[in-house]
Amino acid sequence: NAGVTQTPKFQVLKTGQSMTLQCAQDMNHNSMYWYRQDPGMGLRLIYYSASEGTTDKGEVPNGYNVSRLNKREFSLRLESAAPSQTSVYFCASSGLAERQYFGPGTRLTVT
Amino acid sequence: AQRVTQPEKLLSVFKGAPVELKCNYSYSGSPELFWYVQYSRQRLQLLLRHISRESIKGFTADLNKGETSFHLKKPFAQEEDSAMYYCALRDAGDSNYQLIWGAGTKLIIKP
Repeated sequence: NAGVTQTPKFQVLKTGQSMTLQCAQDMNHNSMYWYRQDPGMGLRLIYYSASEGTTDKGEVPNGYNVSRLNKREFSLRLESAAPSQTSVYFCASSGLAERQYFGPGTRLTVT
Repeated sequence: AQRVTQPEKLLSVFKGAPVELKCNYSYSGSPELFWYVQYSRQRLQLLLRHISRESIKGFTADLNKGETSFHLKKPFAQEEDSAMYYCALRDAGDSNYQLIWGAGTKLIIKP
């Protein structure tokens, strides 16, 4: 039982490049989330998916897109990376027990 | 506006001393409050939630609706308590289990 997994763990991009962060959970959770974590700002919700086939914007969605591929997988795409998107990205999932389970994070640097 | 405030970015106490991490919230609905913890090189995880009224690793937190606070307390701090602590809130009626996060407090326990 791996819980929530994320790939890659680290990534360096140049401004304007694109990439997709992958997230998968094996707990049969309906809800999945993408956050970014920046010093002094805590966790900010980028997008979330309440169930398979639905996605909604969070607090800071600009510059990102998401896909809920199936119940297990929820990917985050940066179409044209900017230095302001340098951050640590966390994926999380939750079920009926309402607590959120987090992945290990992806440290992204955009130069 | 919905908001969770953790007034201290950094809190440093000596081993064996009491510790209190403050969390105040502003919310008009029926809130559920949580404390999450992130130890060094580990993923973010739930520490405790107010509805459980439990003590985890010696930590307790009481929801004070009059003062709109959910402070985290431990009578005798240990070095392994050093971590980043986040207070979070959700609407008890929100089936999407979205959380509103505080900015976090870094707790350092000095030997």
